[in-house]
Amino acid sequence: QVQLVESGGGLVKPGGSLRLSCAASGFTFSDHYMSWIRQAPGKGLEWVSYISNGGDTRYYADSVKGRFTISRDNGKNSLYLQMNSLRDEDTAVYYCARGGVARWPHWGQGTLVTVSS
Amino acid sequence: QSALTQPASVSGSPGQSITISCTGTSSDVGRYNYVSWYQQHPAKAPKLMISDVSDRPSGVSNRFSGSKSGNTASLTISGLQTEDEADYYCSSYTTSSTWVFGGGTKLTVL
Repeated sequence: QVQLVESGGGLVKPGGSLRLSCAASGFTFSDHYMSWIRQAPGKGLEWVSYISNGGDTRYYADSVKGRFTISRDNGKNSLYLQMNSLRDEDTAVYYCARGGVARWPHWGQGTLVTVSS
Repeated sequence: QSALTQPASVSGSPGQSITISCTGTSSDVGRYNYVSWYQQHPAKAPKLMISDVSDRPSGVSNRFSGSKSGNTASLTISGLQTEDEADYYCSSYTTSSTWVFGGGTKLTVL
């Protein structure tokens, strides 16, 4: 069955960096678009970034553009999110999700990122 | 990238039907049939309930249905059950090649 397992979350100071990973299994990773979606504590969902199956197309929310970079390694069945210049408002649970334009049918359990001094 | 507009809360009794609206613009909900709905229980990952406005994934109860008219999409849950109590989010693809979510609706089953 489809499994997505995020890791790499933790506590980081404002201005710091963090790299999230998402290990995929149970499907042909290289066939699928992937996204990162986050949820601040007690708040709603916010789409963060998208990457095409081959990695050649990437989109970002305005709130993270220029600070976050999405990437993938199809040989390792892994998705990544490099987060730089982190701000308090980036504090959230970050989910990786398999899906494309129309839907995200599979989600990981999420990893918590806390930005605080 | 303004969020889609959903009511903050809705409620209903077991067996009743409720509808949650999701209002966007001609650049997102009104432009594409790429509206999806997610159910989220506390401390759990979201679960896809409806995609492409009205398609129900395998395994999702047929008590859940979706529709769209103009810039507003809707999720209807019929025959409410206690396990339906959760937060519900709509989402749409946009003309900016981004995605936008609604603010979420808390469903209370009285």
